[in-house]
Amino acid sequence: GAVVSQHPSWVICKSGTSVKIECRSLDFQATTMFWYRQFPKQSLMLMATSNEGSKATYEQGVEKDKFLINHASLTLSTLTVTSAHPEDSSFYICSAERVTNEKLFFGSGTQLSVL
Amino acid sequence: GQQLNQSPQSMFIQEGEDVSMNCTSSSIFNTWLWYKQDPGEGPVLLIALYKAGELTSNGRLTAQFGITRKDSFLNISASIPSDVGIYFCAGQNPAGGTSYGKLTFGQGTILTVHP
Repeated sequence: GAVVSQHPSWVICKSGTSVKIECRSLDFQATTMFWYRQFPKQSLMLMATSNEGSKATYEQGVEKDKFLINHASLTLSTLTVTSAHPEDSSFYICSAERVTNEKLFFGSGTQLSVL
Repeated sequence: GQQLNQSPQSMFIQEGEDVSMNCTSSSIFNTWLWYKQDPGEGPVLLIALYKAGELTSNGRLTAQFGITRKDSFLNISASIPSDVGIYFCAGQNPAGGTSYGKLTFGQGTILTVHP
């Protein structure tokens, strides 16, 4: 099956610093990638939809200047959490949609802890 | 935004027992999906349902897409210890047929199986 790689798996950073998370589709092209956030014992909440070569579409309540998304190629999308604060600590998960297929594939997630 | 009501929130069962969980929505979805998530991992697709009334099996798993397109259930038969995890339902409603990836997740059902 298709593989979506997410890196890093976990990251600890100091408050005020920025953190970049990568999402790669390893064996297929993904015109669209999605970024979700999951707090402990809660569901996945969609943050933004990332389209290759265009600006991301953010869900209501998600700050686009804080969560910068770049989808520069058909196999890579990045999420940068700028000026991270402890309340940004969460599990971030990406998913990728194949170009010619409606199936979705999820990455293994990134646990962000902001001290 | 849209929300899915998933129940029960948690289940504690003995190995060998059958399990049932369900999701309801106030709005219609064209596709219902069931995922399993292990701690620290991304969700893994178990079953996808594409037609109202559809009943689909995947090994010991059986899921149905409600006739009204506003509900779905998942059954697990003869549970085993490795069934432990969090199960999520997700509704998918393609917008204009261009992107299938925007999912709305239920709150999750935490399953514990005692040997």
